Amino acid sequence: EAGVVQSPRYKIIEKKQPVAFWCNPISGHNTLYWYLQNLGQGPELLIRYENEEAVDDSQLPKDRFSAERLKGVDSTLKIQPAELGDSAVYLCASSFGGGLYNEQFFGPGTRLTVL
Amino acid sequence: GESVGLHLPTLSVQEGDNSIINCAYSNSASDYFIWYKQESGKGPQFIIDIRSNMDKRQGQRVTVLLNKTVKHLSLQIAATQPGDSAVYFCAENMARDTGRRALTFGSGTRLQVQP
Repeated sequence: EAGVVQSPRYKIIEKKQPVAFWCNPISGHNTLYWYLQNLGQGPELLIRYENEEAVDDSQLPKDRFSAERLKGVDSTLKIQPAELGDSAVYLCASSFGGGLYNEQFFGPGTRLTVL
Repeated sequence: GESVGLHLPTLSVQEGDNSIINCAYSNSASDYFIWYKQESGKGPQFIIDIRSNMDKRQGQRVTVLLNKTVKHLSLQIAATQPGDSAVYFCAENMARDTGRRALTFGSGTRLQVQP
């Protein structure tokens, strides 16, 4: 069974440019998460979807970040415009259900470098 | 241990020895904890979890201990192997301002296994 798929794996852009990341969760997983991971730190939740509904986006910087999951399957996270401080790894995870004990499966992440 | 940006605390052990990785969690109301392993270039991978009504849980070569009195979690790896080399994170399923619970990751510990 395929795991969580993310693309691209690496992205280098100049500041003020837009960038988008794509995630395809494990088949059948209705809950999808986007995390940001700075170097040497643990992941931090940006947004969580239950099907196509964003149920927790309290930590998403909405002035420049946006996300969508239009059909409740794959998802896109966008940054516009990117800033130097956005350089990090962006992880996508999925789970079967968003309950307390539902295991989250992580993708390999997209490493973003903003110059 | 405390993570200071890039300077992850590192535990270096000999192959075959037992490893103990510690984590201090932040919220006394957290009731579910998970240990993740993250290898270079990969997303975090679930190792073992424990609920707050338990003090100890064992898996294959791994044991998690929970001390709620001092808000401390530890991961013990028996007969450490080179393939165990990675960064290890503890995570607690903590209630957020939104009222919903979300995984909050602690600072990581790098485990280096010397052959």
